Amino acid sequence: DVKVTQSSRYLVKRTGEKVFLECVQDMDHENMFWYRQDPGLGLRLIYFSYDVKMKEKGDIPEGYSVSREKKERFSLILESASTNQTSMYLCASSLGGLAGGSYEQYFGPGTRLTVT
Amino acid sequence: QQPVQSPQAVILREGEDAVINCSSSKALYSVHWYRQKHGEAPVFLMILLKGGEQKGHDKISASFNEKKQQSSLYLTASQLSYSGTYFCGTEGTGTYKYIFGTGTRLKVLA
Repeated sequence: DVKVTQSSRYLVKRTGEKVFLECVQDMDHENMFWYRQDPGLGLRLIYFSYDVKMKEKGDIPEGYSVSREKKERFSLILESASTNQTSMYLCASSLGGLAGGSYEQYFGPGTRLTVT
Repeated sequence: QQPVQSPQAVILREGEDAVINCSSSKALYSVHWYRQKHGEAPVFLMILLKGGEQKGHDKISASFNEKKQQSSLYLTASQLSYSGTYFCGTEGTGTYKYIFGTGTRLKVLA
């Protein structure tokens, strides 16, 4: 079974802190994604990566950055956390590189981040 | 622009059927469908590709109208386990980027 793991299920941070969310997948997938999920807004893409060191902005990249130094690991970084970044963050992976539309995404369990 | 899903919510009795629709304003390469139960990660149901190819679970059916940029998910003889929020995710032609809809909450009652 494909496994996507995220470093924390729950995280509480203070405004202004630098926050790292880590995601690891064990199926050698080319693509990895970061989404945030808020009530009534569905899943919104923050960033995705189709290869090591490659990244593309999603719909809401402002206030976030990402890092993919190894194929299995994709990190989401909040440079200076703000209260409006309180949300559920979901990581996903899939095969396919830039042809990824043909392949299903596998999601991690999510990290509920609260910024106070 | 997020694809529009309809209805936003639906309540069914066990055994009843439901249709969930997903509509995009852009030309699409693929449509994905996922179900998310409360407190859990979304789980893949189906992919529909431009040209007619489909991949997914045997008990789930869906359609993809490429000309109208619309997809529908058909849930027949619903079971209690079908309860959850259903999301469609769309990939526009040449964009390599997924955009998910806001979801349809489905509740199946005994």
